[in-house]
Amino acid sequence: QSALTQPPSASGSPGQSVTISCTGTSSDVGGYNYVSWYQQHPGKAPKLMIYEVTKRPSGVPDRFSGSKSGNTASLTVSGLQAEDEADYYCTSYAGSNNLVFGGGTYLTVL
Amino acid sequence: QAYLVQSGADVKKPGASVQVSCKASGYTFTTSYIHWVRQAPGQGPQWMGMINPRDGSTFYAQKFQGRVIMTRDPSTTTVNMELIGLISEDTAVYYCATTVYSSSWTTLDVWGKGTTVTVSS
Repeated sequence: QSALTQPPSASGSPGQSVTISCTGTSSDVGGYNYVSWYQQHPGKAPKLMIYEVTKRPSGVPDRFSGSKSGNTASLTVSGLQAEDEADYYCTSYAGSNNLVFGGGTYLTVL
Repeated sequence: QAYLVQSGADVKKPGASVQVSCKASGYTFTTSYIHWVRQAPGQGPQWMGMINPRDGSTFYAQKFQGRVIMTRDPSTTTVNMELIGLISEDTAVYYCATTVYSSSWTTLDVWGKGTTVTVSS
């Protein structure tokens, strides 16, 4: 399975909104509603931020939201804060008991 | 609260094998797949596969088939991941992760802190 495609970087100023895309195919992102998003700070394990495209785990601020259209999923971070600066990775179910990650996007808060 | 506690860092020579362990606590061990995800320096995570702690069935990513072996021990709520035939490109942080609070195994909501494996002659 090929990795999902994410832009290598994104940025926004505090208080602004930024959207990160995750593009796959009809065999993964487009075929299932099992897209998750993870936040990773340097030297730390990934942290789940969004699952099943739009759902937010308990404790994750509602500034984080997810959506999907066709073969592309998106993570939107509204009201950017300094602590949102991190790497963000998407994953998708890819059929046949496989999971695939995106290449990652580094979000800079200017 | 659910936890996954991983074994410590390891250094191996090319051609050797490495085993990383992951001990689960705070939830029912047999109800959730445990996954292994690795992350090479400066790169994104890569899913290696998963094991069903209830019956030991495994699903490996195509890239690692033939080189990875995942096993479990319900008596100690521990899962092990062995990677054989190590090459320098296997140098990475290896994470175990599982699903405790969500309903789909595709959601990894509990992670271990990671184990650094260095392959060097």
